[in-house]
Amino acid sequence: DAMVIQNPRYQVTQFGKPVTLSCSQTLNHNVMYWYQQKSSQAPKLLFHYYDKDFNNEADTPDNFQSRRPNTSFCFLDIRSPGLGDAAMYLCATSSTLADTDTQYFGPGTRLTVL
Amino acid sequence: DQQVKQNSPSLSVQEGRISILNCDYTNSMFDYFLWYKKYPAEGPTFLISISSIKDKNEDGRFTVFLNKSAKHLSLHIVPSQPGDSAVYFCAASEASGTYKYIFGTGTRLKVLA
Repeated sequence: DAMVIQNPRYQVTQFGKPVTLSCSQTLNHNVMYWYQQKSSQAPKLLFHYYDKDFNNEADTPDNFQSRRPNTSFCFLDIRSPGLGDAAMYLCATSSTLADTDTQYFGPGTRLTVL
Repeated sequence: DQQVKQNSPSLSVQEGRISILNCDYTNSMFDYFLWYKKYPAEGPTFLISISSIKDKNEDGRFTVFLNKSAKHLSLHIVPSQPGDSAVYFCAASEASGTYKYIFGTGTRLKVLA
């Protein structure tokens, strides 16, 4: 089945220790997104890739970076995680070639910062 | 400032009855709306969508209504089933080609058997 896969599902890191979260997709969608969701809050868009074009949200901290080496993979790098970065990180994809721009989500990676 | 609001954090409904989940938005440029369902430990799953050119879209037990003048949309689930118990998010997008959605904070629905 075509899907959006996120690894790992749970990630524990130490304060200030860089961490990378990964997302892969078999949908062949050209747009990929990273969201941060904290408890009882709305998913918050951090950035998205339209093909190879990176689009950063204005309020996304510099601590967050992303890489998309090819269509299928996208990475979220947190350079120096703080306690406030503990959250669920959701990857999503969509296609500009589809009839709609519905986004399809992965299961998320829950990040704990000690 | 929250552009998409789901003012009811939770809702309990008896099995077989109607569930109505509400969503309000402030940006009149929003023209495409989605509802997602999220189970614990899973990512949001697309449920149903509506474009601003329509005021109603139906898919099985799920119907979304859009009132553009009131900037309000609602999701109706009839009849509600215990398996519908989840968190429901509404999301809205402008016709700007940015393919970006603004999400609400979600409503936790509990369907009682």
